[in-house]
Amino acid sequence: QSVLTQPPSVSGAPGQRVTISCTGSSSNIGAGYSVHYDVHWYQQLPGTAPKLLIYGNSNRPSGVPDRFSGSKSGTSASLAITGLQAEDEADYYCQSYDSSLSAWVFGGGTKLTVL
Amino acid sequence: EVQLVESGGGLVQPGGSLRLSCVASGFTFSNYEMNWVRQAPGKGLEWVSYITSSGSPIYYADSVKGRFTISRDNAKHSLYLQMNSLRADDTAVYYCARKTPGTSWFDPWGQGTLVTVSS
Repeated sequence: QSVLTQPPSVSGAPGQRVTISCTGSSSNIGAGYSVHYDVHWYQQLPGTAPKLLIYGNSNRPSGVPDRFSGSKSGTSASLAITGLQAEDEADYYCQSYDSSLSAWVFGGGTKLTVL
Repeated sequence: EVQLVESGGGLVQPGGSLRLSCVASGFTFSNYEMNWVRQAPGKGLEWVSYITSSGSPIYYADSVKGRFTISRDNAKHSLYLQMNSLRADDTAVYYCARKTPGTSWFDPWGQGTLVTVSS
């Protein structure tokens, strides 16, 4: 069981908007304003390594389309994808740091299906 | 181009040992912290171990503490993971991932190397 909770799956039609939630606790996402407790998101296309999608709650690395956006509030975070495209079909993982475990932690992953 | 390339995976019997390597290129390896993250077949990501740019301190997940040892050779731009007393639940793809000091995210990741623990 993962420390950060994500829905196992979400789906949407091309062009639609979907959101993926990531729920933590006061020992990780909600632990404070330190960079340690920021939330980051990774996209893992089938058969490939994870790729950084969002860092520092809401920042996009160079090359990531602005269709992807992130937010954080309290002990939760969300990833939003607008204008869904077939190429967005992948697994998405959130990540933060847990002070009780003294470990970097991931969500269980969410499989996005583009209908 | 920033690149991480893992090697050393394979089939090993329960109780056996294996040493993974990760060779870095395209950046100044000695300036960055490094991690190992694993993914069991069909499962999610699990952080395994962390090492600072200088080699100390080092941290491990509870699931591998006392069995795995992370190390690095900055002169060879290489990261290692010595895995001993391997168990079936250590079966996974092992990724090395870079972490910039002062940040908490992993970027980039290598392509991964598969470790299978089975008799």
